[in-house]
Amino acid sequence: AQSVTQLDSHVSVSEGTPVLLRCNYSSSYSPSLFWYVQHPNKGLQLLLKYTSAATLVKGINGFEAEFKKSETSFHLTKPSAHMSDAAEYFCVVSDRDGYSTLTFGKGTMLLVSP
Amino acid sequence: KAGVTQTPRYLIKTRGQQVTLSCSPISGHRSVSWYQQTPGQGLQFLFEYFSETQRNKGNFPGRFSGRQFSNSRSEMNVSTLELGDSALYLCASSPLGETQYFGPGTRLLVL
Repeated sequence: AQSVTQLDSHVSVSEGTPVLLRCNYSSSYSPSLFWYVQHPNKGLQLLLKYTSAATLVKGINGFEAEFKKSETSFHLTKPSAHMSDAAEYFCVVSDRDGYSTLTFGKGTMLLVSP
Repeated sequence: KAGVTQTPRYLIKTRGQQVTLSCSPISGHRSVSWYQQTPGQGLQFLFEYFSETQRNKGNFPGRFSGRQFSNSRSEMNVSTLELGDSALYLCASSPLGETQYFGPGTRLLVL
C-alpha cells in the first residue's frame, strides 16, 4: 500500500522569501512522485514529477523538489515566493507501473503575504 | 493541444436523482481516471478506464459507475444521489502509465 503525508496543512510566507512544503511518502515499490498545484476553483496543474532519474527535480514556475529515499521525503521548495504562488499544493505518489492510480496527500495551503 | 475538458462545470441535483458527468481527454490519451474531491476526505480515486475497459477501481459504492467510449471520452454516473456526494469531480487523462493531466472539474451540489 502507498500513502503520502503532507506535514503542514497551512504554510504562510512573505513575498520574496523561500518556500518549503514538506511531504513524506510510504510505498512498497519504487515510487513515482508528483507535486500538483490547485488554484481556487481550478483543476490540478502538474508542477513536477520524479520517476527514478535525477533526485533533484526542477518544475515549472521556479519550483523544485528533492527525492530522498533514506528519509522517504519529497519536499517542494522555491527560493522566492510570489503572490501568484498562493494556492493549495498536493504531494502525490503512484507506485504501480503501468497503472494510473494516484494517492494524494491532504494538501498544503500556501499563503503569501505582501 | 487542447486540455482535458469536463462538462458540465456546475450541477445542482436533489437527493435520489442521478447524474452523468462527461470528460474529453487530451487528444491521443487513452487512459482516463476520475477522482472525487471533498473538504473532508480530500482527493480520492474513483476509477480508471483504458481502451473502454475499467482497469482499476477505488473504494466507492456501486452507485458510482463509469464508462469509456471508442474515442476515449468518458462518462461517470452517480445514481441515487446522497448529500455526501456533493464534491468536485475531477477527470484526468494520460497515455497509459504516464503522467496524468487534469481537467477543471465538475462541481456537483446535492440538495
